[in-house]
Amino acid sequence: DADVTQTPRNRITKTGKRIMLECSQTKGHDRMYWYRQDPGLGLRLIYYSFDVKDINKGEISDGYSVSRQAQAKFSLSLESAIPNQTALYFCATRAGTGGTEAFFGQGTRLTVV
Amino acid sequence: GNSVTQMEGPVTLSEEAFLTINCTYTATGYPSLFWYVQYPGEGLQLLLKATKADDKGSNKGFEATYRKETTSFHLEKGSVQVSDSAVYFCALNSNTGFQKLVFGTGTRLLVSP
Repeated sequence: DADVTQTPRNRITKTGKRIMLECSQTKGHDRMYWYRQDPGLGLRLIYYSFDVKDINKGEISDGYSVSRQAQAKFSLSLESAIPNQTALYFCATRAGTGGTEAFFGQGTRLTVV
Repeated sequence: GNSVTQMEGPVTLSEEAFLTINCTYTATGYPSLFWYVQYPGEGLQLLLKATKADDKGSNKGFEATYRKETTSFHLEKGSVQVSDSAVYFCALNSNTGFQKLVFGTGTRLLVSP
């Protein structure tokens, strides 16, 4: 099994719909992240969480919300999807210290029509 | 805030050519530096890292040296292969505070036979 699992892998949804992207990890790490990848813009941080009770906004959190249901689970919601949220979304996890590696899921390709 | 700047792509090379992808950073203190690679259809995976000045990270023939005096972490490989075709991301992580992982915009490498 993958260390970080994202579901769904692909999703097409309509403008205005609510959608949830799910992420679970088996690394036992406390830190989890949601990133968005767009061509030419690299990865931009949406939200990050250092434990179940600690959730923080990243640089592009508007239009998104998150829930840390357990140490291993971190979901991202789009309350009312819009076309410019069409992107590739990645979940990641890492252990606590600065020099440690981040482990990424395979990504969710979301298309809002 | 912390930031990473890397050269735009695509970088197009013939097999066995020498590769350099430039990366410079802005950060307070002494961040850890990373190179991640993204193969088509996959998530990011760690290629190499360096956690303090003058450290050299290496893996799979790739190398990068943490240069604090020039705030750089350039990626090099002496002889690229077709299988190295991917997108390469430079990233940094502060060793203090919230330790957000910050990425560059990515550089696509295309290697032809």
